[in-house]
Amino acid sequence: EAQVTQNPRYLITVTGKKLTVTCSQNMNHEYMSWYRQDPGLGLRQIYYSMNVEVTDKGDVPEGYKVSRKEKRNFPLILESPSPNQTSLYFCASSTGQGFNSPLHFGNGTRLTVT
Amino acid sequence: EDQVTQSPEALRLQEGESSSLNCSYTVSGLRGLFWYRQDPGKGPEFLFTLYSAGEEKEKERLKATLTKKESFLHITAPKPEDSATYLCAVQGVNTGNQFYFGTGTSLTVIP
Repeated sequence: EAQVTQNPRYLITVTGKKLTVTCSQNMNHEYMSWYRQDPGLGLRQIYYSMNVEVTDKGDVPEGYKVSRKEKRNFPLILESPSPNQTSLYFCASSTGQGFNSPLHFGNGTRLTVT
Repeated sequence: EDQVTQSPEALRLQEGESSSLNCSYTVSGLRGLFWYRQDPGKGPEFLFTLYSAGEEKEKERLKATLTKKESFLHITAPKPEDSATYLCAVQGVNTGNQFYFGTGTSLTVIP
């Protein structure tokens, strides 16, 4: 089954403790992206990648890191999480480097930073 | 800057009561407008892509239309299983492959 898989689904952590949210897709998509979803603000893009070893900032990249060493994986790293990073995070992928193609989303990771 | 505004924020309909959701957008050169459905606890699920004014797409009880300034998602004779949040997103020529999302319309269909 074609899918985007995120882990974990739920994560509670404390301020400053480094964490990684994994994302993997099995559709051989070139384009992958991370979003955060907050009430009243909608989905906002954090980082995206058009292919292996190619990443770029979205609208809200501060406090986040990403890497794209393999085509199927695109982990999101929070080196020193803060409470304002409490949010619902989605990974997404798309064909054709993201131009004109719809996004396929994972089921989300709900992160709470205390 | 590319912007998307969706209205209403929330909509309650009786089963069978048709209505429309609105997505107004500002973009310097539309590359594509996308509609998604999001169920609680899940990621958005792709519904339609529209590329140019006048274009229409249909799927079961849903029909999406596009003008130069807005898109409508028409829901005909909705059923309770159509209850979800509907999201609109745009991609503009000048913003490469970035997508800009609206905040969504939460639809509840009452049996």
